[in-house]
Amino acid sequence: DIQMTQSPSSLSASVGDRVIVTCRASQTISKYLNWYQHKPGKAPKVLIYAASSLQSGVPSRFSGSGSGTDFTLTISSLQPEDFATYYCQQSYSIPFTFGQGTKLEI
Amino acid sequence: QVQPQESGPGLVKPSETLSLTCNVSGGFMSGYYWTWIRQPPGKGLEWIGYMYSGGTTKSNPSLKSRVVMSIDRSRNQISLHLSSVTPADTAVYHCARGAICAGDCDFIDFWGQGTLVTVAP
Repeated sequence: DIQMTQSPSSLSASVGDRVIVTCRASQTISKYLNWYQHKPGKAPKVLIYAASSLQSGVPSRFSGSGSGTDFTLTISSLQPEDFATYYCQQSYSIPFTFGQGTKLEI
Repeated sequence: QVQPQESGPGLVKPSETLSLTCNVSGGFMSGYYWTWIRQPPGKGLEWIGYMYSGGTTKSNPSLKSRVVMSIDRSRNQISLHLSSVTPADTAVYHCARGAICAGDCDFIDFWGQGTLVTVAP
């Protein structure tokens, strides 16, 4: 199985901050890397797919980059509604696997 | 807007079969795959498996042969059956739709809110 390692596992930040979350795959996954936002009790939501494509309807303050094994999710200016847990996921090979999550707190 | 909605018993006894249904509203089932993902309390997300609308399925080898998925296109429904459950199968179970497009693109575009299933005597 491909292991996905996110860092940090938790992060304290303020509204307006620029935040970067990283995700590393245990082997190359090309650009088969997706980012999801999850709030408690809600359905997770895709933010970025194929490493750097912004899903329709997602604010442009979210961006993704990387290929191969190293990826980043950047939030350019944190908004109050962005405090959530963020997961990366590889869809390169079965079984699909997720990072352990990054909890973004105020 | 596509909305998957999971339903099923909240409590299952050890060694029994966990059965969940996902009703999909707001979109077509064909042309996508349908996947189950779970999250044990306090832990991360675990992919269970997927099924294409044509019937092709793949499941997580860690679950061995305990997983059976089915699709009923006439009712816009997907089902998950997980046999021989143990307390380790206690989790929030999400149903979701997967999309594949050109250019290294394979992602889950719509998720259900999830349903908690507890395995206990």
